[in-house]
Amino acid sequence: GDSVTQMEGPVTLSEEAFLTINCTYTATGYPSLFWYVQYPGEGLQLLLKATKADDKGSNKGFEATYRKETTSFHLEKGSVQVSDSAVYFCALSPDMRFGAGTRLTVKP
Amino acid sequence: EAGVTQFPSHSVIEKGQTVTLRCDPISGHDNLYWYRRVMGKEIKFLLHFVKESKQDESGMPNNRFLAERTGGTYSTLKVQPAELEDSGVYFCASSQVSSYNEQFFGPGTRLTVL
Repeated sequence: GDSVTQMEGPVTLSEEAFLTINCTYTATGYPSLFWYVQYPGEGLQLLLKATKADDKGSNKGFEATYRKETTSFHLEKGSVQVSDSAVYFCALSPDMRFGAGTRLTVKP
Repeated sequence: EAGVTQFPSHSVIEKGQTVTLRCDPISGHDNLYWYRRVMGKEIKFLLHFVKESKQDESGMPNNRFLAERTGGTYSTLKVQPAELEDSGVYFCASSQVSSYNEQFFGPGTRLTVL
């Protein structure tokens, strides 16, 4: 069945560092891909998404490109902030399979 | 507009006891979903309601779990009797349309079974 493999955390970075969180997937057909973020004490929020190959999702300085040839959807941000500290989940639809989550801590 | 709310935020019970989790979706959202995250692993789908009907309950782990959505508004998820492996965070989500990329999630209920 469909599945998502996500880079294990935790990840600790200094403010303004470059962030990459790897995500690869296994799927039959043509899934849509998502990154969700969970800030402390809150529910999951959709961060960005891509619905077809070569699409780039972007939001709040984060980007991820749907790479069919490498079955990947890596999350990147050029300069992280303390407020980006959260747990990040990669996911795919239609069956909504999630990765295990990566906890990011950004230190000032 | 109020978001998805879940109650309680935390629950600690002993093995063999019963626990009922509640989810209040966003008003007007016909679709309601339950998920579970166990021990820092992936978030797993449990079931999907459309109004009061169970559209998909393929993710329910066993018959100790009972979900209801009487009247098509809030939903409850009962675990009876609870086992140690039921510990985890239970998330609820709702959507206006039956599309997984339109879901709004609640903050989750952390269940600990001792």
